[in-house]
Amino acid sequence: QSALTQPASVSGSLGQSVILSCTGTSGDIGSYKTVSWYQQHPGKAPKLIIYEGSKRPSGVSDRFSASQSGITASLIVSGLQADDEAVYYCCSYAGRTTWVFGGGTKLAVL
Amino acid sequence: QVQLVQSGSELKKPGASVKVSCKASGYTFSRYAIIWVRQAPGQGLEWMGWINTNTGNPTYAQGFTGRFVFSLDTSVNTAYVQISNLKAEDTAIYYCARDCSGGGCDDAFDVWGQGTLVTVSS
Repeated sequence: QSALTQPASVSGSLGQSVILSCTGTSGDIGSYKTVSWYQQHPGKAPKLIIYEGSKRPSGVSDRFSASQSGITASLIVSGLQADDEAVYYCCSYAGRTTWVFGGGTKLAVL
Repeated sequence: QVQLVQSGSELKKPGASVKVSCKASGYTFSRYAIIWVRQAPGQGLEWMGWINTNTGNPTYAQGFTGRFVFSLDTSVNTAYVQISNLKAEDTAIYYCARDCSGGGCDDAFDVWGQGTLVTVSS
């Protein structure tokens, strides 16, 4: 199972919005509407910020939103704040009780 | 509160074995599967597999068969990953996480352990 494809880095200015993409295949994102997204700050464990494609867990800012279409999923971070600077990973179910992560996108807040 | 607490860092020599633990608290252990994730230094997350905490049945990702074994001790609400015949490339942080499927979400991992650094060096 190959990793989902994410751009290595994305940047945006304080207050702006950015879109992070995640591309899979017909065997993962294209077949299952359950992409999840994780935020990881340096030296910390990942944190779930989006599940089932577009739902936010309790306590996660509504500045984070997401969608998926075809074999691509997108995470939108609006109103960028300094603390949003982190690495973001997408993850998809890939069938036969297996999952696959993306390679991660480092978000820089300028 | 709901949490997963992992065992401490390990320094091992090549060829040795290591067993990392992941203790759950604050919820019914058998209700949610536990996954394992590897993160090599400076690299991304890699899904290693999962274990059904109700049946003990493990599932391994490609590349994690043979030397990797997932197990449970349900009497102490703890999951384990044992890695045998350690190699330098096994040096990584190993995370456990809870699969929240069936508990209000599907196919996502809502609670994570703090990670365990395993260093393999002669």
